[in-house]
Amino acid sequence: KQEVTQIPAALSVPEGENLVLNCSFTDSAIYNLQWFRQDPGKGLTSLLLIQSSQREQTSGRLNASLDKSSGRSTLYIAASQPGDSATYLCAVPQGGSEKLVFGKGTKLTVNP
Amino acid sequence: GAVVSQHPSWVICKSGTSVKIECRSLDFQATTMFWYRQFPKQSLMLMATSNEGSKATYEQGVEKDKFLINHASLTLSTLTVTSAHPEDSSFYICSARDRGRGVHEQYFGPGTRLTVT
Repeated sequence: KQEVTQIPAALSVPEGENLVLNCSFTDSAIYNLQWFRQDPGKGLTSLLLIQSSQREQTSGRLNASLDKSSGRSTLYIAASQPGDSATYLCAVPQGGSEKLVFGKGTKLTVNP
Repeated sequence: GAVVSQHPSWVICKSGTSVKIECRSLDFQATTMFWYRQFPKQSLMLMATSNEGSKATYEQGVEKDKFLINHASLTLSTLTVTSAHPEDSSFYICSARDRGRGVHEQYFGPGTRLTVT
């Protein structure tokens, strides 16, 4: 059974700092991995999707890497801004299905 | 593109009543939609997979007679919480997969906050 762990559970940084969020998963037989952002009381916004054949994806100040063999992914946020404050979730498929298994998220606070 | 809407965004109901939540894909067709539940400070837990024109597949521990799912068209799936109780109060989120894309990416709705009094 796929399990997803995100570290740290919470992170508080000053504005402008670069930071890394970590995600690990137990079953490396995945076909993709997604990173999401969730604001309080809101739904999910997809940030990046990495296919299993890719090692990283970039979107603006965000860069996500994937190491399938070690069961790890990182989300790198450059030059953080207060507007980046949210909970960041990673998710991977359960086995070869389309069912997603989510981590508990990292709550990020960027202080002005 | 790839927008998913949910209605209502929040609802308060009395214990014992039923509540219907709609999930729509606005600009794409979705053969498969997923329903998740999220309790405060917890992550999303998959409740069921909804396939257009067929019965939903429920995850272990989810009562299919309590959470009725109907996927009547390629753009609409509904979740009905029957005989709701306070413990059903939660944030319900749906997602949809775009059948026209080869990439297995799910697009999520904004969620529905259900409070049962």
